[in-house]
Amino acid sequence: DSGVTQTPKHLITATGQRVTLRCSPRSGDLSVYWYQQSLDQGLQFLIQYYNGEERAKGNILERFSAQQFPDLHSELNLSSLELGDSALYFCASSVVRAGGSDTQYFGPGTRLTVL
Amino acid sequence: AQSVTQLDSQVPVFEEAPVELRCNYSSSVSVYLFWYVQYPNQGLQLLLKYLSGSTLVKGINGFEAEFNKSQTSFHLRKPSVHISDTAEYFCAVSEGGSYIPTFGRGTSLIVHP
Repeated sequence: DSGVTQTPKHLITATGQRVTLRCSPRSGDLSVYWYQQSLDQGLQFLIQYYNGEERAKGNILERFSAQQFPDLHSELNLSSLELGDSALYFCASSVVRAGGSDTQYFGPGTRLTVL
Repeated sequence: AQSVTQLDSQVPVFEEAPVELRCNYSSSVSVYLFWYVQYPNQGLQLLLKYLSGSTLVKGINGFEAEFNKSQTSFHLRKPSVHISDTAEYFCAVSEGGSYIPTFGRGTSLIVHP
């Protein structure tokens, strides 16, 4: 158990819909990262938040957005869903030490299926 | 920009045999290197990481990896695998100062009895 929790575990929805994925980081970790894992794209970094502020952006679509709340939990919002958005979405957290040597601790993931 | 290549998408091996999972990276600056393991239906878990110092890094579950700067490689090895080592293994690299690692496509290690 990494200490990172994600809900829900599974999500099945239809094209055009909007969903929200939730992540609670490990106690003491200030940074949250979101990743998308699919068979064709592998593990893709989406976005990073640090202590409530957006810190880095990766291959995140404009239809996707995220935020980190004062209690440090984070939500990833996916809208106008398409079939190709079906994937595993992982949240990870880290302390954020200087220099980028962090270990990221991953949650169990949310499996999103868009029908 | 950094990139990672895991040379084998799948590595089948018999139980108690040695295994090596290959990883090459590309970067123009100093790097930190990681190996993560993903068991079925679970998130990724850190096996080991290289930050600096000794080029031979020991991790959990009997795994080790060697950083070779001239070959830009960070291959993962285990002298004797178990059935329970069957999983997906990911190599990752982050450049000094960046908190965002780049992950390889993964290598599926399949251990046969």
